[in-house]
Amino acid sequence: AQSVTQLDSHVSVSEGTPVLLRCNYSSSYSPSLFWYVQHPNKGLQLLLKYTSAATLVKGINGFEAEFKKSETSFHLTKPSAHMSDAAEYFCVVSEPLGGKLIFGQGTELSVKP
Amino acid sequence: ETGVTQTPRHLVMGMTNKKSLKCEQHLGHNAMYWYKQSAKKPLELMFVYNFKEQTENNSVPSRFSPECPNSSHLFLHLHTLQPEDSALYLCASSQDLTSGHSTDTQYFGPGTRLTVL
Repeated sequence: AQSVTQLDSHVSVSEGTPVLLRCNYSSSYSPSLFWYVQHPNKGLQLLLKYTSAATLVKGINGFEAEFKKSETSFHLTKPSAHMSDAAEYFCVVSEPLGGKLIFGQGTELSVKP
Repeated sequence: ETGVTQTPRHLVMGMTNKKSLKCEQHLGHNAMYWYKQSAKKPLELMFVYNFKEQTENNSVPSRFSPECPNSSHLFLHLHTLQPEDSALYLCASSQDLTSGHSTDTQYFGPGTRLTVL
């Protein structure tokens, strides 16, 4: 069975400092992994996805994530936080057949001025 | 914009009411999904349709009734709901569920915030 664990329910950073949102996964297959962002009162927007190509994946808005099979991790990073990055972030693993997505609990990112 | 629209954006209903949520996608996709997002819980997949055929019902109570008249539209009919059904209901679409296309990205609508009194 596949599962996703987001290690922090809430992360707070200052504007201009790096962002690290942690995600560990469990999968019996070669997983497809995603990060989605949800701003208040909005739907989910895809930030980036990993599909067994390059292990370092670049996404929108300056975010990137690195797939580390040995650590079963897919942490999301950004070198410099912006106020507009404040949102909820979801790490997601896709089942190999049927396209079902397994969502993590979410990490709320706060950005202080 | 994601290309997936949902109406209404907010809905308040009593437990005896009947209402419907509507989702429309303008992306040419063939798979559509309903999710429930409750506070402090991960997103829960409710239903999946592929080429208008239901392929997944994730043990959803019968007071939720989905309908997919064509690949662009998805409805969720609601009747005799309970207060615990209050949540954000999200619709999503993806290219299709052909075997091996498990990496197809799902595109989400903005959701309908449902409150059951």
